[in-house]
Amino acid sequence: KAGVTQTPRYLIKTRGQQVTLSCSPISGHRSVSWYQQTPGQGLQFLFEYFSETQRNKGNFPGRFSGRQFSNSRSEMNVSTLELGDSALYLCASSLYGTGDNEQFFGPGTRLTVL
Amino acid sequence: DQQVKQNSPSLSVQEGRISILNCDYTNSMFDYFLWYKKYPAEGPTFLISISSIKDKNEDGRFTVFLNKSAKHLSLHIVPSQPGDSAVYFCAAAKTSYDKVIFGPGTSLSVIP
Repeated sequence: KAGVTQTPRYLIKTRGQQVTLSCSPISGHRSVSWYQQTPGQGLQFLFEYFSETQRNKGNFPGRFSGRQFSNSRSEMNVSTLELGDSALYLCASSLYGTGDNEQFFGPGTRLTVL
Repeated sequence: DQQVKQNSPSLSVQEGRISILNCDYTNSMFDYFLWYKKYPAEGPTFLISISSIKDKNEDGRFTVFLNKSAKHLSLHIVPSQPGDSAVYFCAAAKTSYDKVIFGPGTSLSVIP
C-alpha cells in the first residue's frame, strides 16, 4: 500500500506570495490533517478534513486554508506569505478519526519564505 | 498556551539502558494519548497509545504509563538501541474525532 505523498518536497517563495501544497493520503483513508513544524514548537495543528468537510481547525490566521477533494486528496494554501511561515508542513491521513487512531504522515513539504 | 509539554528537549542514554521520556498536559479533558517518533527528513511514525481508562500500555520494548491525577505520562524504552535515536513527540486528544495536540518533542540519543 502506498504511503502518504506530499508535493512539492521543497519550496522557496518570497514574502507576499501565495503557495499551495498538496497531499495524497493512503488509499481508503478519509481523514487528512495538516501540521506546521518549526524548531522548538513541535507540530502545530492547522486543520483536519474528513469527507471533504473541515472537521477540526487549529489557531492559525485565515491566510491558511485548505480543502479536500472527493478522492480524499487535500490541498493547503497559504496566502500573503510571511517570513514566519517558513516551516516543514506535514500532512497525515487516517481511516476515520485522529484522536485515538494512528495517523500516517507524509515526508513533509519544506517551505522557505525569503 | 502549550497544552502538551515535554520539558526535556534532549536526552542521552547508553545502549541497553532504559530511556524514560516524560510528558505533562494541562487539559483534563484529554482522553487519548499517543507517542510518535520522528527521524530526520521523514514524517513522524506512530509508536504507541493509551486511553484514559488505562494506566499502562505495553508493546514490545515500549511501555507508556499514564498518571491522570498528575496529568503526566511517560514512555519507557527498554532496552534502548541506537536505532531508537530520534525525536519523540507526545500527543493528546479529547475524543476519537478531535484534533491531536502535539508537544514540542524530546530528542533521544542512544549511545553505543
